[in-house]
Amino acid sequence: ETGVTQTPRHLVMGMTNKKSLKCEQHLGHNAMYWYKQSAKKPLELMFVYNFKEQTENNSVPSRFSPECPNSSHLFLHLHTLQPEDSALYLCASSQEGLAVEQFFGPGTRLTVL
Amino acid sequence: AQSVTQLDSHVSVSEGTPVLLRCNYSSSYSPSLFWYVQHPNKGLQLLLKYTSAATLVKGINGFEAEFKKSETSFHLTKPSAHMSDAAEYFCVVSVPTGANSKLTFGKGITLSVRP
Repeated sequence: ETGVTQTPRHLVMGMTNKKSLKCEQHLGHNAMYWYKQSAKKPLELMFVYNFKEQTENNSVPSRFSPECPNSSHLFLHLHTLQPEDSALYLCASSQEGLAVEQFFGPGTRLTVL
Repeated sequence: AQSVTQLDSHVSVSEGTPVLLRCNYSSSYSPSLFWYVQHPNKGLQLLLKYTSAATLVKGINGFEAEFKKSETSFHLTKPSAHMSDAAEYFCVVSVPTGANSKLTFGKGITLSVRP
């Protein structure tokens, strides 16, 4: 595996379900990110982790719970979501420093019924 | 604070004709700028980046962009469009925030290529 991988690629869940999204980066990076991409809206940064520590939470509702057990893995735990949470969730990683690009996974297409 | 403006939400060109995707930015610092491309059901792929070196930046797949500080622009161009260029394109500005760099994305431009 190379780059940034995400599983599952598609997920349909009810509002009372609990599910998790998984991201893994094989690039030796030390920073990882969750983004939400909704139709007709700019990419929204949700969470940032540096060296496994959360460094940014952009006022994300508590029904989204991130977990970063090590620098290569990032999870997004989902609980009691709303239909408006349906979106493409993208994971990214970077070797943190100044002005470095981020490398993105293919995303998980989430549909909340 | 920084921001990115992509005035065009949709651009349509014929195959073999030039592509111009416009981007203007606002930043309190000397920014780094990126263009990413997203094909349907795929993640974002970096096309090119500007990090205060040469103002004309060449990227993958024949794309290039020119940083113009006086115009606060970073437009993306390609001399001849291919059908495979049809995708969504995002202009991104990055500024340092402590130990991190924060990316701000534009709303994206959908490029259609007509046969």
